[in-house]
Amino acid sequence: GQQLNQSPQSMFIQEGEDVSMNCTSSSIFNTWLWYKQDPGEGPVLLIALYKAGELTSNGRLTAQFGITRKDSFLNISASIPSDVGIYFCAGRIQGAQKLVFGQGTRLTINP
Amino acid sequence: KAGVTQTPRYLIKTRGQQVTLSCSPISGHRSVSWYQQTPGQGLQFLFEYFSETQRNKGNFPGRFSGRQFSNSRSEMNVSTLELGDSALYLCASSTDYLNEQYFGPGTRLTVT
Repeated sequence: GQQLNQSPQSMFIQEGEDVSMNCTSSSIFNTWLWYKQDPGEGPVLLIALYKAGELTSNGRLTAQFGITRKDSFLNISASIPSDVGIYFCAGRIQGAQKLVFGQGTRLTINP
Repeated sequence: KAGVTQTPRYLIKTRGQQVTLSCSPISGHRSVSWYQQTPGQGLQFLFEYFSETQRNKGNFPGRFSGRQFSNSRSEMNVSTLELGDSALYLCASSTDYLNEQYFGPGTRLTVT
């Protein structure tokens, strides 16, 4: 069944706005990964998080490993047209030998 | 370092046929995972190979199979294709399955 809830499912914003999305679960995670996928391409790894409370940046992107270890957040500052795409979270559940993926957040930027 | 490569990028097959997809991982990566991506189901895990052994498997029927060679390259086979098998098939490589996974561009399979 679904173990990761990613929200929002879609976002429509104006260029220059900041973006926030998150993934939550009832399970405890050891690792969080954030990916971006452009149409017709494979997901590209943006940020990896390994410790509760960890805050990591990659340019205008910042992701955090929630202190409860059940959630993670991704923020994009000052969005630009090339930020358009689908953002996925993925995580390793504690004690489980598998990665689980969120359903994705589709980001659209209005000109 | 070269990224993950997948061939072919696009494929059109007829119901009942079989298909083989190929994945070459990043040099030094021994784990290769396969995923099926559809608009309705998102990313679904198929299986993972490490050092030529299948270590992890998702909930797909036996028509989906794979293998890994000694150079870590992997192939995925789907037999008796069904219309519902139309999807983007992605492979991802990593140093180990639960570490950071790097995806290839995918193979777009269309079954008619």
